Amino acid sequence: ETGVTQTPRHLVMGMTNKKSLKCEQHLGHNAMYWYKQSAKKPLELMFVYNFKEQTENNSVPSRFSPECPNSSHLFLHLHTLQPEDSALYLCASSPVAGTSESYEQYFGPGTRLTVT
Amino acid sequence: GQNIDQPTEMTATEGAIVQINCTYQTSGFNGLFWYQQHAGEAPTFLSYNVLDGLEEKGRFSSFLSRSKGYSYLLLKELQMKDSASYLCAVFNYQLIWGAGTKLIIKP
Repeated sequence: ETGVTQTPRHLVMGMTNKKSLKCEQHLGHNAMYWYKQSAKKPLELMFVYNFKEQTENNSVPSRFSPECPNSSHLFLHLHTLQPEDSALYLCASSPVAGTSESYEQYFGPGTRLTVT
Repeated sequence: GQNIDQPTEMTATEGAIVQINCTYQTSGFNGLFWYQQHAGEAPTFLSYNVLDGLEEKGRFSSFLSRSKGYSYLLLKELQMKDSASYLCAVFNYQLIWGAGTKLIIKP
């Protein structure tokens, strides 16, 4: 595998379900990101991890819970979501966060989430 | 506040030239990026400008004027595969994104 991979690619879940999104990067990067992409809206940065430490949480509701066990893996745990949380969730990585080395981010293909 | 504006949608003809504009107002500036995103796919890096002027890369060029808070992406010799969304982003410790411009190419 190369680049950034995400699973699952599509997910439909009810508001009472618990599910997790997985991201894996094979680029040797030390920073990983979760973004939310809704139709006709800018990419919304949700979380940033730098060397496994969370450095940004952009006022994301607690029903979204990230986990970064190592620099190559990133999870987003979901529980009691709302219909407005339906969106494309993108994972990205870069060499280091917050420095000139984070200029170019490499994105995964995303998970299309539908909350019913 | 942080604000990045770009047109929602543009249409152009195969073989022609199109310019996609981006204006920004941000609290800091350390570079401007353009990404391409085909429907259902991941955004991919196109270009990076940190100094004023034009950066050319094949059929694509990107221009920056920091004093005007303005950039554009120029696509030449348009091909059908250029149909995609083009995202403008300013780097200020983090990437701050515009909503993207959907480019439709007609034969």
